[in-house]
Amino acid sequence: QQPVQSPQAVILREGEDAVINCSSSKALYSVHWYRQKHGEAPVFLMILLKGGEQKGHDKISASFNEKKQQSSLYLTASQLSYSGTYFCGTDSGAGSYQLTFGKGTKLSVIP
Amino acid sequence: DTGVSQDPRHKITKRGQNVTFRCDPISEHNRLYWYRQTLGQGPEFLTYFQNEAQLEKSRLLSDRFSAERPKGSFSTLEIQRTEQGDSAMYLCASMTGDGYTFGSGTRLTVV
Repeated sequence: QQPVQSPQAVILREGEDAVINCSSSKALYSVHWYRQKHGEAPVFLMILLKGGEQKGHDKISASFNEKKQQSSLYLTASQLSYSGTYFCGTDSGAGSYQLTFGKGTKLSVIP
Repeated sequence: DTGVSQDPRHKITKRGQNVTFRCDPISEHNRLYWYRQTLGQGPEFLTYFQNEAQLEKSRLLSDRFSAERPKGSFSTLEIQRTEQGDSAMYLCASMTGDGYTFGSGTRLTVV
Protein backbone atom coordinates (compact mmCIF):
# COMPACT_ATOMS: atom_id res chain seq x y z
CA GLN A 1 0.00 0.00 0.00
CA GLN A 2 1.14 3.49 -0.85
CA PRO A 3 2.65 5.50 2.03
CA VAL A 4 0.94 8.75 2.94
CA GLN A 5 2.97 11.92 2.83
CA SER A 6 2.14 15.17 4.57
CA PRO A 7 1.89 17.99 3.91
CA GLN A 8 1.06 17.83 0.19
CA ALA A 9 2.70 21.19 -0.38
CA VAL A 10 4.60 23.78 1.59
CA ILE A 11 6.00 27.21 0.84
CA LEU A 12 9.00 28.45 2.78
CA ARG A 13 11.09 31.57 2.82
CA GLU A 14 14.83 31.08 2.61
CA GLY A 15 16.23 30.18 6.00
CA GLU A 16 13.03 28.62 7.34
CA ASP A 17 12.72 25.02 8.45
CA ALA A 18 10.36 22.30 7.23
CA VAL A 19 9.33 18.78 8.18
CA ILE A 20 7.89 16.27 5.73
CA ASN A 21 6.22 13.16 7.07
CA CYS A 22 5.76 9.71 5.58
CA SER A 23 3.48 7.12 7.13
CA SER A 24 2.88 3.52 6.13
CA SER A 25 0.29 0.94 7.13
CA LYS A 26 2.78 -1.88 6.54
CA ALA A 27 5.80 -2.98 8.53
CA LEU A 28 8.88 -1.47 6.95
CA TYR A 29 12.46 -2.56 6.48
CA SER A 30 13.69 0.75 5.15
CA VAL A 31 12.59 4.17 3.99
CA HIS A 32 14.21 6.08 1.14
CA TRP A 33 13.92 9.80 0.49
CA TYR A 34 14.27 11.38 -2.96
CA ARG A 35 13.97 14.91 -4.34
CA GLN A 36 12.69 15.56 -7.85
CA LYS A 37 12.94 18.89 -9.60
CA HIS A 38 10.55 19.73 -12.40
CA GLY A 39 11.35 17.80 -15.55
CA GLU A 40 14.20 15.88 -13.95
CA ALA A 41 14.68 12.42 -12.49
CA PRO A 42 14.36 11.81 -8.75
CA VAL A 43 17.65 12.15 -6.88
CA PHE A 44 18.49 9.97 -3.90
CA LEU A 45 18.85 11.83 -0.59
CA MET A 46 19.15 9.15 2.04
CA ILE A 47 18.05 5.73 3.24
CA LEU A 48 16.98 4.80 6.75
CA LEU A 49 17.18 1.15 7.73
CA LYS A 50 15.23 -0.69 10.38
CA GLY A 51 17.34 -0.60 13.50
CA GLY A 52 19.56 2.07 12.05
CA GLU A 53 20.37 5.53 13.27
CA GLN A 54 18.94 8.83 12.25
CA LYS A 55 20.81 10.10 9.21
CA GLY A 56 21.65 13.44 7.81
CA HIS A 57 24.01 15.46 5.75
CA ASP A 58 24.42 19.18 5.53
CA LYS A 59 21.09 20.63 6.68
CA ILE A 60 18.87 17.72 5.67
CA SER A 61 18.26 14.89 8.11
CA ALA A 62 15.69 12.16 8.62
CA SER A 63 14.35 9.83 11.25
CA PHE A 64 12.58 6.46 11.14
CA ASN A 65 10.18 5.25 13.81
CA GLU A 66 9.87 1.51 13.15
CA LYS A 67 7.09 0.94 15.65
CA LYS A 68 4.90 3.62 14.13
CA GLN A 69 6.05 2.86 10.57
CA GLN A 70 6.74 6.54 10.08
CA SER A 71 9.62 8.58 8.78
CA SER A 72 10.22 12.30 8.81
CA LEU A 73 12.52 14.43 6.69
CA TYR A 74 13.88 17.60 8.29
CA LEU A 75 15.13 20.52 6.24
CA THR A 76 16.75 23.29 8.23
CA ALA A 77 17.71 26.77 7.10
CA SER A 78 16.18 26.07 3.69
CA GLN A 79 17.90 27.25 0.52
CA LEU A 80 16.40 28.05 -2.88
CA SER A 81 17.99 24.85 -4.18
CA TYR A 82 15.81 22.78 -1.84
CA SER A 83 12.75 23.50 -4.00
CA GLY A 84 11.26 20.42 -5.60
CA THR A 85 9.00 17.50 -4.86
CA TYR A 86 10.09 15.15 -2.10
CA PHE A 87 9.12 11.50 -2.24
CA CYS A 88 9.45 8.83 0.37
CA GLY A 89 9.80 5.27 -0.86
CA THR A 90 9.11 2.39 1.47
CA ASP A 91 10.58 -1.11 1.38
CA SER A 92 8.84 -3.94 3.20
CA GLY A 93 11.97 -6.05 3.25
CA ALA A 94 11.22 -8.78 0.73
CA GLY A 95 14.80 -8.56 -0.44
CA SER A 96 14.27 -6.90 -3.80
CA TYR A 97 14.52 -3.29 -2.57
CA GLN A 98 11.39 -2.61 -4.58
CA LEU A 99 10.00 0.69 -3.37
CA THR A 100 6.45 1.94 -2.97
CA PHE A 101 6.47 5.71 -3.30
CA GLY A 102 4.17 8.28 -1.76
CA LYS A 103 2.47 10.97 -3.82
CA GLY A 104 5.11 13.49 -2.90
CA THR A 105 5.38 16.78 -1.06
CA LYS A 106 5.96 19.87 -3.17
CA LEU A 107 8.35 22.24 -1.46
CA SER A 108 8.79 25.78 -2.73
CA VAL A 109 11.47 28.00 -1.24
CA ILE A 110 11.12 31.68 -2.03
CA PRO A 111 13.58 34.54 -1.42
CA ASP B 1 30.58 6.46 -14.26
CA THR B 2 28.21 8.23 -16.62
CA GLY B 3 25.07 7.51 -14.65
CA VAL B 4 21.96 5.75 -15.90
CA SER B 5 21.12 6.45 -19.55
CA GLN B 6 17.71 6.10 -21.13
CA ASP B 7 16.77 6.30 -24.76
CA PRO B 8 14.77 7.87 -26.25
CA ARG B 9 14.00 10.88 -24.05
CA HIS B 10 10.64 11.41 -25.69
CA LYS B 11 8.40 9.16 -27.75
CA ILE B 12 5.10 10.03 -29.39
CA THR B 13 3.23 7.09 -30.82
CA LYS B 14 -0.17 6.32 -32.21
CA ARG B 15 -2.51 4.13 -30.24
CA GLY B 16 -2.02 0.50 -31.16
CA GLN B 17 1.65 0.82 -32.08
CA ASN B 18 4.48 -0.98 -30.28
CA VAL B 19 7.26 0.95 -28.57
CA THR B 20 10.58 -0.09 -27.03
CA PHE B 21 12.68 1.82 -24.54
CA ARG B 22 16.28 1.20 -23.60
CA CYS B 23 18.10 1.65 -20.29
CA ASP B 24 21.86 1.48 -19.72
CA PRO B 25 22.53 1.23 -15.99
CA ILE B 26 25.70 2.09 -14.11
CA SER B 27 28.04 -0.73 -15.07
CA GLU B 28 28.72 -2.15 -11.62
CA HIS B 29 25.07 -2.07 -10.53
CA ASN B 30 23.55 -5.52 -10.70
CA ARG B 31 20.02 -4.44 -9.73
CA LEU B 32 17.87 -2.69 -12.34
CA TYR B 33 14.34 -1.39 -11.91
CA TRP B 34 11.65 0.04 -14.17
CA TYR B 35 9.12 2.47 -12.78
CA ARG B 36 6.33 4.49 -14.34
CA GLN B 37 5.41 8.00 -13.20
CA THR B 38 2.35 10.01 -14.13
CA LEU B 39 1.79 13.69 -13.41
CA GLY B 40 1.41 14.46 -9.72
CA GLN B 41 2.23 10.94 -8.62
CA GLY B 42 5.23 9.14 -7.26
CA PRO B 43 7.01 6.50 -9.33
CA GLU B 44 5.13 3.20 -9.57
CA PHE B 45 7.06 -0.09 -9.65
CA LEU B 46 6.90 -2.12 -12.85
CA THR B 47 9.64 -4.74 -12.75
CA TYR B 48 13.03 -5.64 -11.30
CA PHE B 49 16.12 -7.47 -12.54
CA GLN B 50 19.06 -8.83 -10.68
CA ASN B 51 21.71 -9.33 -13.31
CA GLU B 52 19.87 -10.95 -16.23
CA ALA B 53 17.10 -12.52 -14.15
CA GLN B 54 13.72 -10.81 -13.99
CA LEU B 55 12.80 -11.47 -10.37
CA GLU B 56 9.66 -9.42 -9.85
CA LYS B 57 6.92 -8.01 -11.98
CA SER B 58 4.09 -5.78 -10.81
CA ARG B 59 0.59 -7.23 -10.95
CA LEU B 60 -0.37 -3.93 -12.55
CA LEU B 61 1.76 -4.81 -15.57
CA SER B 62 -0.44 -6.21 -18.30
CA ASP B 63 0.63 -8.83 -20.80
CA ARG B 64 1.32 -6.01 -23.25
CA PHE B 65 4.42 -5.08 -21.27
CA SER B 66 7.63 -7.08 -21.45
CA ALA B 67 11.13 -6.37 -20.25
CA GLU B 68 14.47 -7.99 -20.84
CA ARG B 69 18.01 -7.61 -19.62
CA PRO B 70 20.21 -9.80 -21.78
CA LYS B 71 23.61 -10.61 -20.30
CA GLY B 72 22.82 -8.48 -17.26
CA SER B 73 23.80 -5.26 -18.98
CA PHE B 74 21.33 -2.91 -20.66
CA SER B 75 17.59 -3.47 -20.39
CA THR B 76 14.66 -2.92 -22.72
CA LEU B 77 11.01 -2.33 -21.92
CA GLU B 78 8.52 -3.01 -24.70
CA ILE B 79 4.89 -2.01 -24.75
CA GLN B 80 2.74 -3.67 -27.37
CA ARG B 81 -0.53 -2.26 -28.72
CA THR B 82 -0.13 0.99 -26.82
CA GLU B 83 -3.16 2.62 -25.21
CA GLN B 84 -3.69 6.22 -24.14
CA GLY B 85 -3.44 5.13 -20.52
CA ASP B 86 0.16 4.12 -21.16
CA SER B 87 1.14 7.77 -21.50
CA ALA B 88 3.62 8.43 -18.69
CA MET B 89 7.27 8.92 -17.84
CA TYR B 90 9.09 5.58 -17.77
CA LEU B 91 12.01 5.65 -15.37
CA CYS B 92 14.86 3.21 -15.12
CA ALA B 93 16.96 2.97 -11.98
CA SER B 94 19.95 0.93 -10.94
CA MET B 95 21.20 0.18 -7.49
CA THR B 96 24.00 -1.41 -5.58
CA GLY B 97 23.68 -1.31 -1.84
CA ASP B 98 22.40 2.20 -1.21
CA GLY B 99 19.65 4.16 -2.93
CA TYR B 100 18.54 4.21 -6.53
CA THR B 101 20.23 6.15 -9.28
CA PHE B 102 17.50 7.08 -11.73
CA GLY B 103 17.88 7.79 -15.41
CA SER B 104 16.31 10.88 -16.96
CA GLY B 105 13.37 8.83 -18.15
CA THR B 106 11.50 8.30 -21.39
CA ARG B 107 8.34 10.36 -21.73
CA LEU B 108 5.75 8.42 -23.72
CA THR B 109 2.76 10.14 -25.26
CA VAL B 110 0.15 7.95 -26.92
CA VAL B 111 -2.12 9.85 -29.32
